[in-house]
Amino acid sequence: DVKVTQSSRYLVKRTGEKVFLECVQDMDHENMFWYRQDPGLGLRLIYFSYDVKMKEKGDIPEGYSVSREKKERFSLILESASTNQTSMYLCASSLGTPSYEQYFGPGTRLTVT
Amino acid sequence: AQSVTQLDSQVPVFEEAPVELRCNYSSSVSVYLFWYVQYPNQGLQLLLKYLSGSTLVESINGFEAEFNKSQTSFHLRKPSVHISDTAEYFCAVSEGLTGGGNKLTFGTGTQLKVEL
Repeated sequence: DVKVTQSSRYLVKRTGEKVFLECVQDMDHENMFWYRQDPGLGLRLIYFSYDVKMKEKGDIPEGYSVSREKKERFSLILESASTNQTSMYLCASSLGTPSYEQYFGPGTRLTVT
Repeated sequence: AQSVTQLDSQVPVFEEAPVELRCNYSSSVSVYLFWYVQYPNQGLQLLLKYLSGSTLVESINGFEAEFNKSQTSFHLRKPSVHISDTAEYFCAVSEGLTGGGNKLTFGTGTQLKVEL
């Protein structure tokens, strides 16, 4: 079974802190994704990566950056957390073919106070 | 650019009744279509997908969806729901372009609440 794990289920940070969210997948998938999920807005893509050291902006990249130094690991970085970044963050991975579904981690609920 | 519309944000239904969750998409190219389900406090799981061939696709737990190209729809149905089907359901579309990314565009989700 494909497994996507995220470093924390719940996280509370203060405004202005630097926040790291980590995601690891164990199926040698080329693609990895970071989404945020908010009520009524569904899932919105923040960043994705289709290869090591490669990254592309999604629909809402402002305030976020990412790092992919190894194929299995994809990190989301909030350089200076703000209260409007309080959300559920979901990581996903998939093979490189367009027809292949994405596998999701359990999510990290981040609260910025 | 592709987009997905799920018109119903919430659908309440009694147990053993039929249900339909609606999904419409817009895209200028051929698409792959997916339904994902999210149970409380969990990540998303794939429910079913349409890639090509038969326009009717089924899941192992009794859901089915039909791809209708002329109406650009991919509605999800189940003839008799169970209390355990209570979850949020997301429709998603991929434009199937080769190359980097394989991005999905998600709808805003439909909360299915099954009542006794």
